[in-house]
Amino acid sequence: GPKVLQIPSHQIIDMGQMVTLNCDPVSNHLYFYWYKQILGQQMEFLVNFYNGKVMEKSKLFKDQFSVERPDGSYFTLKIQPTALEDSAVYFCASSLNQGDQAPLFGEGTRLSVL
Amino acid sequence: GDQVEQSPSALSLHEGTGSALRCNFTTTMRAVQWFRKNSRGSLINLFYLASGTKENGRLKSAFDSKERYSTLHIRDAQLEDSGTYFCAAEAHNYAQGLTFGLGTRVSVFP
Repeated sequence: GPKVLQIPSHQIIDMGQMVTLNCDPVSNHLYFYWYKQILGQQMEFLVNFYNGKVMEKSKLFKDQFSVERPDGSYFTLKIQPTALEDSAVYFCASSLNQGDQAPLFGEGTRLSVL
Repeated sequence: GDQVEQSPSALSLHEGTGSALRCNFTTTMRAVQWFRKNSRGSLINLFYLASGTKENGRLKSAFDSKERYSTLHIRDAQLEDSGTYFCAAEAHNYAQGLTFGLGTRVSVFP
């Protein structure tokens, strides 16, 4: 079936550097999401993106975070600069519409900030 | 903020038996989604419900928005049912994304 792909599965970066997490959503999906899960804690919503714009974001979506999907390619989450507390697994999800369809999730990218 | 309380945190089942997982919500939610995380870390969609019950094989889920809970029943448990199960609730402003529970680690023993 359709899948949301996240590559790589693990990224290691030094604190203060920039990182871009890539997500390849399902091809005909229109809504895109990022979630963050710190080890041992609940998965938490970061941002909802549609038609080239951020529709909703949570308080976890700091000013250092940005998202885009240039030319319908990868949906990306950029963190610049990174901080130690950004270490977590980041999950991308996509859906065709909202309110009547479950989003499909990727396998996550583990980000380790040293 | 919205909270999802999932219980139990861990569950051990002998093959062939069954049990139920539950999520309580501190506010009324629009819909609920249940997932199982497999060994690779993938979140496998099990159910998406806006009301009532749904059944798929040996799994059955119910959602009562007014009473603020959802359940996931496993019957005739098999070894491959082992994994961590999550509920996630969708608020009426569904653009705000899903609110996840902490998960239930299910272990099925022969």
